Amino acid sequence: SQQGEEDPQALSIQEGENATMNCSYKTSINNLQWYRQNSGRGLVHLILIRSNEREKHSGRLRVTLDTSKKSSSLLITASRAADTASYFCATHGAQKLVFGQGTRLTINP
Amino acid sequence: DAGVIQSPRHEVTEMGQEVTLRCKPISGHDYLFWYRQTMMRGLELLIYFNNNVPIDDSGMPEDRFSAKMPNASFSTLKIQPSEPRDSAVYFCASSLPPGETQYFGPGTRLLVL
Repeated sequence: SQQGEEDPQALSIQEGENATMNCSYKTSINNLQWYRQNSGRGLVHLILIRSNEREKHSGRLRVTLDTSKKSSSLLITASRAADTASYFCATHGAQKLVFGQGTRLTINP
Repeated sequence: DAGVIQSPRHEVTEMGQEVTLRCKPISGHDYLFWYRQTMMRGLELLIYFNNNVPIDDSGMPEDRFSAKMPNASFSTLKIQPSEPRDSAVYFCASSLPPGETQYFGPGTRLLVL
């Protein structure tokens, strides 16, 4: 399966600190995406990185992709209480987008 | 655009009853996806459509589940008869090409007693 696996499953940090989440996958991909899900809500797209890209930024988000290691990381800098959510990576291979199990991020005030 | 719209937002029903979930995708999106999310299994793709045609229904758990898309602005997911193990949050999402950004609705939280 090309399913992404996030690591860690849960992360708790203090407000203002940086949060790093990792995603590993098994097969070749066209792109990798990160989504956020607040409790009781739908998933919201954060960023998409294509297989020929190595790094991408969006505001306080930084995503890296290492296709040789089949891994990606999501860095959230200067975390805020509002960043508390679950974060999912999703890989696009042949056709479908396949989601991992997510990392539960808690930002403590 | 209002985004992806789902109804109802919450549904409580008794085992054996028919349940119909509804979705209106973002106008202009050619692809529509139905997902199910549970604590145990995470987010699972049930079925997806392209231009109203079902492309891959390999994720549909069993014959009790069926999905239709009669036109570009409406889709239904039906469970008949419902069982307690169907309790989950069901999401609808839409996109342009299937591997690009997907836009999710708020979900329908289903509880089957």
